Amino acid sequence: DGGITQSPKYLFRKEGQNVTLSCEQNLNHDAMYWYRQDPGQGLRLIYYSQIVNDFQKGDIAEGYSVSREKKESFPLTVTSAQNNPTAFYLCASTPLTGPADYGYTFGSGTRLTVV
Amino acid sequence: AQSVAQPEDQVNVAEGNPLTVKCTYSVSGNPYLFWYVQYPNRGLQFLLKYITGDNLVKGSYGFEAEFNKSQTSFHLKKPSALVSDSALYFCAVRALNSGNTPLVFGKGTRLSVIA
Repeated sequence: DGGITQSPKYLFRKEGQNVTLSCEQNLNHDAMYWYRQDPGQGLRLIYYSQIVNDFQKGDIAEGYSVSREKKESFPLTVTSAQNNPTAFYLCASTPLTGPADYGYTFGSGTRLTVV
Repeated sequence: AQSVAQPEDQVNVAEGNPLTVKCTYSVSGNPYLFWYVQYPNRGLQFLLKYITGDNLVKGSYGFEAEFNKSQTSFHLKKPSALVSDSALYFCAVRALNSGNTPLVFGKGTRLSVIA
């Protein structure tokens, strides 16, 4: 089945540690996105990529980094510079061409907790 | 700039009664509008979208939404609520001619359907 897979489902980070969240899709979608979800704040865009080897900052990129070496993969690294990383992280993808606009397909999310 | 407002953090409705979840938006030009639903610790699932055409859009699970250009609204409705409809609902928008810019999401409305 085609879909978008995020791993791990739960992740614990110690103070000062970098961690990487995985996002893989087999939908042949062009664009991929990372959102952060906090209670009462909705979804806030961290980074997005519309083509391999290119990505753009979203509204809250500070303390995060990404790469897009393959069309299928868009990992997110939460660096030690992100001083409040505890949140639910969602990855999404969408095609950019076609007869009509498409909504996003979302992964199941990764819950990151600082311990 | 694009923005979405969901004025109610929480909506409570009795099972069998009609439900409405409100959404207003702001974009330059014509909008693409979406509704998504999220169950606990899961990603978002697509419910319906408006691009052009009829102002009343029908979607998954018996949901529908009415596009009102003069009021810049896209309220989600269902004639008869089910307990299983209890979830977090997000409205999202982007401008029709925005060159594939990312969707902007509202802060979400928690729907609680009481038996």
